[in-house]
Amino acid sequence: GQSLEQPSEVTAVEGAIVQINCTYQTSGFYGLSWYQQHDGGAPTFLSYNALDGLEETGRFSSFLSRSDSYGYLLLQELQMKDSASYFCALTDSWGKFQFGAGTQVVVTP
Amino acid sequence: GAGVSQSPSNKVTEKGKDVELRCDPISGHTALYWYRQSLGQGLEFLIYFQGNSAPDKSGLPSDRFSAERTGGSVSTLTIQRTQQEDSAVYLCASSLAVWGSSNNSPLHFGNGTRLTVT
Repeated sequence: GQSLEQPSEVTAVEGAIVQINCTYQTSGFYGLSWYQQHDGGAPTFLSYNALDGLEETGRFSSFLSRSDSYGYLLLQELQMKDSASYFCALTDSWGKFQFGAGTQVVVTP
Repeated sequence: GAGVSQSPSNKVTEKGKDVELRCDPISGHTALYWYRQSLGQGLEFLIYFQGNSAPDKSGLPSDRFSAERTGGSVSTLTIQRTQQEDSAVYLCASSLAVWGSSNNSPLHFGNGTRLTVT
């Protein structure tokens, strides 16, 4: 089976950089994804890593290290609109997505 | 094009009643997922349909929960004899279902059905 762990909450000021770590235990998977969810909204896709290394998408970057069983999402130049919950998710070899419990990011002025 | 559509958006029901939640996935998406999310919590996997394969029902919390997907498109999640602990937002997502080192098919979520059992 799979289990993913991520911090429950992170607080930072506007303009700062935040890193959200996601550690996992699994026997095999296609890739690690990140989703953003604003209060009352649906989760939306942010980034995906199938291979080790860094993927950059604008202010957001995601990293995966299979040998260390961990990944992270990096949020740069934080803006107030980045206040949301962020979920890591593993895609297993059958295509099923298993999500972490989520990290609430609070951006303060 | 149209995204994933779920109906109803809100449902209030009395304890013991049955409810049906509907999901219309994005056209052409072969994979369909149901998740449950309680207030301030993560996404709890319920069931996964992939093409014509038998669904993965491993996340259904009890035999009161069932789901079907007709014609590889629309899906209905049914909860029988609802209990107060069933109150949550039920999210449906669909995907093209192609994964690998160079392909990524992210999940596209609907806005969910907020179920309240009184």
